[in-house]
Amino acid sequence: AQSVSQHNHHVILSEAASLELGCNYSYGGTVNLFWYVQYPGQHLQLLLKYFSGDPLVKGIKGFEAEFIKSKFSFNLRKPSVQWSDTAEYFCAVLGGSQGNLIFGKGTKLSVKP
Amino acid sequence: EPEVTQTPSHQVTQMGQEVILRCVPISNHLYFYWYRQILGQKVEFLVSFYNNEISEKSEIFDDQFSVERPDGSNFTLKIRSTKLEDSAMYFCASMNGGLSYEQYFGPGTRLTVT
Repeated sequence: AQSVSQHNHHVILSEAASLELGCNYSYGGTVNLFWYVQYPGQHLQLLLKYFSGDPLVKGIKGFEAEFIKSKFSFNLRKPSVQWSDTAEYFCAVLGGSQGNLIFGKGTKLSVKP
Repeated sequence: EPEVTQTPSHQVTQMGQEVILRCVPISNHLYFYWYRQILGQKVEFLVSFYNNEISEKSEIFDDQFSVERPDGSNFTLKIRSTKLEDSAMYFCASMNGGLSYEQYFGPGTRLTVT
């Protein structure tokens, strides 16, 4: 069965620092990958997704992620974080043809002003 | 922008009681999902629903769970006889189909079983 690992449980950064959150998936075939974000008190929302093509995917709010097949990774990056990026970030892989998602445990990001 | 809504935001129930969690998906969406997140653990897929029937379910979704789309707008998750381990945040999501696979999530219902 597919699985997703997010190794960082809680990341604390100062504003303007660069961000990289790790995500590894287990399946070696074709994968569809997602990053979702949950701001405090809000619902999960899609940041970006990768299905095929350019392995560097750009999402909303200045986020990007790079799909590296050889490393089974899909790390999320942002060059300069803001206090408003404080949230929990979830990596997910498409689990089946009906669209169900398999999530990682999430990484909580705290940005200090 | 259309949103998925869920009610109630917090439900407290006693062990053995039945609960119904309600969701209103985005109106033109065709696929509906329930997920749950036990405190400190991963968001886990429970069930997907398409064309008025369950299309996929996880091993968590046993006989005590059921889903329904009773009136074309609401999408409900019923837990027939709650257990302490059912305490979790339950998220509803919907998707409009096609190849985007972009799911829109509701804010969740926190279920506490005492």
